[in-house]
Amino acid sequence: AQTVTQSQPEMSVQEAETVTLSCTYDTSESDYYLFWYKQPPSRQMILVIRQEAYKQQNATENRFSVNFQKAAKSFSLKISDSQLGDAAMYFCAYNIWVGSRLTFGEGTQLTVNP
Amino acid sequence: NAGVTQTPKFRILKIGQSMTLQCAQDMNHNYMYWYRQDPGMGLKLIYYSVGAGITDKGEVPNGYNVSRSTTEDFPLRLELAAPSQTSVYFCASSYPDSGTDTQYFGPGTRLTVL
Repeated sequence: AQTVTQSQPEMSVQEAETVTLSCTYDTSESDYYLFWYKQPPSRQMILVIRQEAYKQQNATENRFSVNFQKAAKSFSLKISDSQLGDAAMYFCAYNIWVGSRLTFGEGTQLTVNP
Repeated sequence: NAGVTQTPKFRILKIGQSMTLQCAQDMNHNYMYWYRQDPGMGLKLIYYSVGAGITDKGEVPNGYNVSRSTTEDFPLRLELAAPSQTSVYFCASSYPDSGTDTQYFGPGTRLTVL
């Protein structure tokens, strides 16, 4: 069974600084997708970034980037130039191609200090 | 383009009551999902559907039923509400045939069973 582990229940960062959120996963599949979702207090689940396992290049979306280490089964999220609006719960998630269910980690609560 | 919509936003039920959580999407996505999120946890899949007339169980289906008569709608039915079903419920949709399996989430329904 696939599992996703986020070992940091809480993280904090100063505004304008950089923070990295950790995620590891366990799977026997060779092809799959990895995601980071953001959940602000509004509870809406917002996709931050996604990575296809067959791509060696790390995904980037503006201030958000990932460090994908397939052999180590690690998928960390780096947030650069942190902003107050980045404060939220961040979930790492995994799924296999063809619409299978997302498996979520337990989340990391990120606080951004002014 | 409203994306994924859910009604109601909040609901309080008494033990043993029944209700239907509504979900609709206007993106012509063939895959739809129901997740639940318990406090401090990630989301877990209840049921999913790969198209109209086709549904299947997820990780935590007990106490729930679904139907998918149209591409747009995917209602979730609770027949005999129990306190263990107190949770936030998210509906999501995706279109794997487009080459990506990104799931788009609705705003969630907060359900309390007393």
